[in-house]
Amino acid sequence: QSALTQPASVSGSPGQSITISCTGTTSDVGNYNYVSWYQQHPGKAPRLMIYDVTNRPSGVSNRFSGSKSGNTASLTISGLQAEDEADYYCISYTTSSTRVFGGGTKLTVL
Amino acid sequence: QVQLVESGGGVVQPGRSLRLSCAASGFTFSRNAMHWVRQAPGKGLEWVAVIAYDGSTQYYGDSVRGRFTISRDTSKNTLYLQLNGLRPEDTAVYYCAKEEGTTRFDYWGQGTLVIVSS
Repeated sequence: QSALTQPASVSGSPGQSITISCTGTTSDVGNYNYVSWYQQHPGKAPRLMIYDVTNRPSGVSNRFSGSKSGNTASLTISGLQAEDEADYYCISYTTSSTRVFGGGTKLTVL
Repeated sequence: QVQLVESGGGVVQPGRSLRLSCAASGFTFSRNAMHWVRQAPGKGLEWVAVIAYDGSTQYYGDSVRGRFTISRDTSKNTLYLQLNGLRPEDTAVYYCAKEEGTTRFDYWGQGTLVIVSS
């Protein structure tokens, strides 16, 4: 099972919006609405930001949103804030009943 | 409140074994599937294994299948990961995570570091 494909890095200025893509195949992202997104700050455990493509857990800002089209899922962060600077990972369920993460994207707030 | 506390990490020689534990509290342990996820130094997250809420099924990532075994003891509210045939590339922080949905891991432990080196 190959890792899902994410851009290595994205950046944006405070107040702007950015989108991180997560590309898989028909064996994972394209076949299920079981894609989640995690935020990880250095030295910390990951934090759930979006689950089941579009759902936001309680306590997560509504500046975070998710979507999916075909084999590609996306995480959009609007109104960028300095605290959003972190690594972001997508994860999908697969046809083998396993899970697979993306390679991760480093978000820099300029 | 939900707590997951990993232990058992350390330095081990290639080819040797190690058992990691994850002590769970603050929720009904027997109701949730549980996962192990690892992160090599400076690298991304890698999904390792999952065990069903009742221990009936387990699935593994390609890189650990046949060498690692996930298990759980409901009487002790503890999740385990047995690591056999360790390789230098298994060096990582190992996290346990509580599954609330298929890829929805709502709580994570703080991680335990495994270093495989001669």
